Amino acid sequence: GIQVEQSPPDLILQEGANSTLRCNFSDSVNNLQWFHQNPWGQLINLFYIPSGTKQNGRLSATTVATERYSLLYISSSQTTDSGVYFCAVERGSGNTPLVFGKGTRLSVIA
Amino acid sequence: SQTIHQWPATLVQPVGSPLSLECTVEGTSNPNLYWYRQAAGRGLQLLFYSVGIGQISSEVPQNLSASRPQDRQFILSSKKLLLSDSGFYLCAWKPGYSNQPQHFGDGTRLSIL
Repeated sequence: GIQVEQSPPDLILQEGANSTLRCNFSDSVNNLQWFHQNPWGQLINLFYIPSGTKQNGRLSATTVATERYSLLYISSSQTTDSGVYFCAVERGSGNTPLVFGKGTRLSVIA
Repeated sequence: SQTIHQWPATLVQPVGSPLSLECTVEGTSNPNLYWYRQAAGRGLQLLFYSVGIGQISSEVPQNLSASRPQDRQFILSSKKLLLSDSGFYLCAWKPGYSNQPQHFGDGTRLSIL
């Protein structure tokens, strides 16, 4: 099956710093999503981005489908950005499930 | 707008007891439905998914089963829980037969004693 690798596994930032999280996948995909899991376990949809670039406030994401990777940018990080960031991909025609990476655990300290 | 509900939020069960977790979606019809499990605070594993009533696909053979008795209802069950069934269980949905994002419920935290 398709493999999803995220890096780095852990990241500690000072408040106000910028960061880039990476997601590599082993095959072509029809769907790619970025999630933020908050301390209460909720999975928050950040981006649905099978290709191209999107921005939402301090967050932006870019997926280069032909090179099988996606990047999540966090600018001017805040303590509320702490948590685990997951990348997940769907390979099939729209009826197949997501395959998740192991996540990047981000800690933003004041 | 569409919403997804999971309950209970937290559950503590003894080993060997049965389990029933319920997930319902409102505001849509014929959704794809999914059950995932997360252990040790990282990494989601797909357990079951369904593209229609009575249609269940299983990714991992184990002590759990799933059923979809109604279009927008997905139930995760076990006849006898094991210690290894502890974890965080998440239900998700998306519009059927579509390249649309999946949306997750708030999860059920299950502890087996």
